[in-house]
Amino acid sequence: IAGITQAPTSQILAAGRRMTLRCTQDMRHNAMYWYRQDLGLGLRLIHYSNTAGTTGKGEVPDGYSVSRANTDDFPLTLASAVPSQTSVYFCASSGGGRGTGELFFGEGSRLTVL
Amino acid sequence: SQQGEEDPQALSIQEGENATMNCSYKTSINNLQWYRQNSGRGLVHLILIRSNEREKHSGRLRVTLDTSKKSSSLLITASRAADTASYFCATDWQAGTALIFGKGTTLSVSS
Repeated sequence: IAGITQAPTSQILAAGRRMTLRCTQDMRHNAMYWYRQDLGLGLRLIHYSNTAGTTGKGEVPDGYSVSRANTDDFPLTLASAVPSQTSVYFCASSGGGRGTGELFFGEGSRLTVL
Repeated sequence: SQQGEEDPQALSIQEGENATMNCSYKTSINNLQWYRQNSGRGLVHLILIRSNEREKHSGRLRVTLDTSKKSSSLLITASRAADTASYFCATDWQAGTALIFGKGTTLSVSS
């Protein structure tokens, strides 16, 4: 049972570089989400997609972009990384099509921007 | 801004004791969910309670919801060392577009 796969699991990145965090799910869920988790701040929603072809901005979207070309993949791109984007990033999916159902999470991608 | 806020931030108990965590939220909701996160891992769904429900049970978990007070509580009975984790409540965001999370309660159960 794969569920949600995130890659890379960990990455150190120089400031100013471009980085794409990958997220793939095999549950055929309609909705997918990106959160970042920082100590003392909990999880914050970056972007979401309720169905393939559509995306929306979450609580903290600045500096990030997403695309949803198909049901399974939801990559998160940092066009020009900054140190404040150092965080653990979690991808999640939901079969309900919107955010009110149970979320399934990946194991996270730990990103350090120097 | 975050919708849900858990209280306390940290809780330390002995095995066999009960653990109670609280969540307060700001706006009306369709449902409220609780998640658990073991250190270094992704979150795992524990239980969902709908806005028209007042109490729900799942094994050693009991969740209550008081929509008039905009609050929920998670009770873990007869805690075990394996219950050591962070617990988060999650609520609707923007008419159910997504879920947003509180900052979590870190539970430590010692044997």
